[in-house]
Amino acid sequence: GAVVSQHPSWVICKSGTSVKIECRSLDFQATTMFWYRQFPKQSLMLMATSNEGSKATYEQGVEKDKFLINHASLTLSTLTVTSAHPEDSSFYICSAYPRGRYEACTFGSGTRLTVV
Amino acid sequence: QQQVKQSPQSLIVQKGGIPIINCAYENTAFDYFPWYQQFPGKGPALLIAIRPDVSEKKEGRFTISFNKSAKQFSLHIMDSQPGDSATYFCAASILGNQFYFGTGTSLTVIP
Repeated sequence: GAVVSQHPSWVICKSGTSVKIECRSLDFQATTMFWYRQFPKQSLMLMATSNEGSKATYEQGVEKDKFLINHASLTLSTLTVTSAHPEDSSFYICSAYPRGRYEACTFGSGTRLTVV
Repeated sequence: QQQVKQSPQSLIVQKGGIPIINCAYENTAFDYFPWYQQFPGKGPALLIAIRPDVSEKKEGRFTISFNKSAKQFSLHIMDSQPGDSATYFCAASILGNQFYFGTGTSLTVIP
């Protein structure tokens, strides 16, 4: 089955620094990856859709200069939280599926970001 | 605007009971309706999914009932176990271009 690896699983950073989160599809090529943010006891909120070789599509209200997404290969997408602030603390999750097989959409294990 | 509405927000059942979680949608273009299970600190995992041309689908102890005319679908968990205690999300998608999630249901199964 489709496997998505997300790293790191948790990170603590100081306010003002940047943090990079990686999302890898291990056994398939993913032309599209999704990035979500989840607050405690809440649903997943789609932040952006990451397309290999092109600019990511951001959802309304998501600052693209703050949440930089790079999808440089068919197996790797990265989310960089720039100049992080405490309000950016959240659970970030990626998902991906093999080309044309969205029924195999798989989620990463998530990254808990804490900005102090 | 919530594309997929989910209820109840939380649910407590005894072991062996059959919790039912309901979802409703408006967009008739949705063609794929998955259910996900999420444990604390983990990403969601696909449980079962259905397409609108089918009214029911069973996989193990999990069943989806789908009512196309009412634009509703529900998850039933047969013979629930304490290990089923988790948060469940319904979702809807159009050709996988975007997944819209419900607000989640926190299920607790009491031994």
